[in-house]
Amino acid sequence: AQSVTQLDSHVSVSEGTPVLLRCNYSSSYSPSLFWYVQHPNKGLQLLLKYTSAATLVKGINGFEAEFKKSETSFHLTKPSAHMSDAAEYFCVVSVPGREGNKLTFGTGTQLKVEL
Amino acid sequence: DTGVSQDPRHKITKRGQNVTFRCDPISEHNRLYWYRQTLGQGPEFLTYFQNEAQLEKSRLLSDRFSAERPKGSFSTLEIQRTEQGDSAMYLCASSIGGVETQYFGPGTRLLVL
Repeated sequence: AQSVTQLDSHVSVSEGTPVLLRCNYSSSYSPSLFWYVQHPNKGLQLLLKYTSAATLVKGINGFEAEFKKSETSFHLTKPSAHMSDAAEYFCVVSVPGREGNKLTFGTGTQLKVEL
Repeated sequence: DTGVSQDPRHKITKRGQNVTFRCDPISEHNRLYWYRQTLGQGPEFLTYFQNEAQLEKSRLLSDRFSAERPKGSFSTLEIQRTEQGDSAMYLCASSIGGVETQYFGPGTRLLVL
């Protein structure tokens, strides 16, 4: 079985400052890892994914995440926050080729961006 | 590619009534997934189809829930004898089999009074 733990339920940053959203995962097999973003009243949108290629993954809107196997972490970062980044972010794990590639979500981190 | 669509977007019903939701996946995506998201939580897996075959069901999917994908295209999720605990956002996603990226629809928000 696989699981993810998002270490912060709420993160607040000022516009223009860096963003760090933390995620730890657990998996019995080599995982695929994702970050999805959910804006109010909108569907889940894929930000980026790790699938055993490069450990530093670049996504949309300036976000990136680094897969660290030794720390079982997949933290999401962005150098400079924008007001439009305010949303809920989900760290997600799946195991390729097993259990239908079903996604296991964390409980989410609500990102607030202040002026 | 018009994305994953879901209908209705919102549904209010009384306890004990039956409801049915529809999901239209991205064309040519042979896998279709249903998830449920309650307030303040991440989505949880309910079931998935490969073409028309339902291959796995979560223990969250009680006997009151049934899902179909009769021709391997759109899918329906029916809840019989709804309970207040069924109130949630029901999300549909689709993917090409063997590729992990799932694309999500906007969801159907169900409120059971």
